[in-house]
Amino acid sequence: RKEVEQDPGPFNVPEGATVAFNCTYSNSASQSFFWYRQDCRKEPKLLMSVYSSGNEDGRFTAQLNRASQYISLLIRDSKLSDSATYLCVVNILDAGGGADGLTFGKGTHLIIQP
Amino acid sequence: SQTIHQWPATLVQPVGSPLSLECTVEGTSNPNLYWYRQAAGRGLQLLFYSVGIGQISSEVPQNLSASRPQDRQFILSSKKLLLSDSGFYLCAWSQGAYQPQHFGDGTRLSIL
Repeated sequence: RKEVEQDPGPFNVPEGATVAFNCTYSNSASQSFFWYRQDCRKEPKLLMSVYSSGNEDGRFTAQLNRASQYISLLIRDSKLSDSATYLCVVNILDAGGGADGLTFGKGTHLIIQP
Repeated sequence: SQTIHQWPATLVQPVGSPLSLECTVEGTSNPNLYWYRQAAGRGLQLLFYSVGIGQISSEVPQNLSASRPQDRQFILSSKKLLLSDSGFYLCAWSQGAYQPQHFGDGTRLSIL
């Protein structure tokens, strides 16, 4: 099972619509969750952290569901400038002695259409 | 505020040539430092990370190496580049293993 899994998309959404996508993670002990945004041929940039109680930043809402082991990102009133790849990031605890840090999903590609 | 600098932005190298990419962080001390590679249309692959000067952990066996000669300097090297080394190389820093990572602008490496 993949550690962090996302639907690669693309999600084609009309401007002004609401779009949501999920990300599932494998380790129930994970404690840190983030959403990043990556524009084409650019570096990933932190969009928002995801807190247990859920959090909102303008048009963006992030939620965590520990029981089902997924996080979600909701974008309201989508803008053309929201077109990007959204990366789900989770800390994966590696009991086997490997990297103890953040694991990046492969991303969900979002295209906002005029 | 903290900033991260990575250079060069673009690099074209022949197969078999050496490589040196440099990354420096300003405005913080004792950061965790990371090197990632992203192939075209693919996800991020962690290559190396460092929690302190001289401390390097390698995630994948390859012909690349990393060094951290100073607290806020991280260098990615190769003695002989392969065609498969082409990609987008990203340096990142964080305050700790589970803190958000902040990326440099990246280096686009093409091997001919």
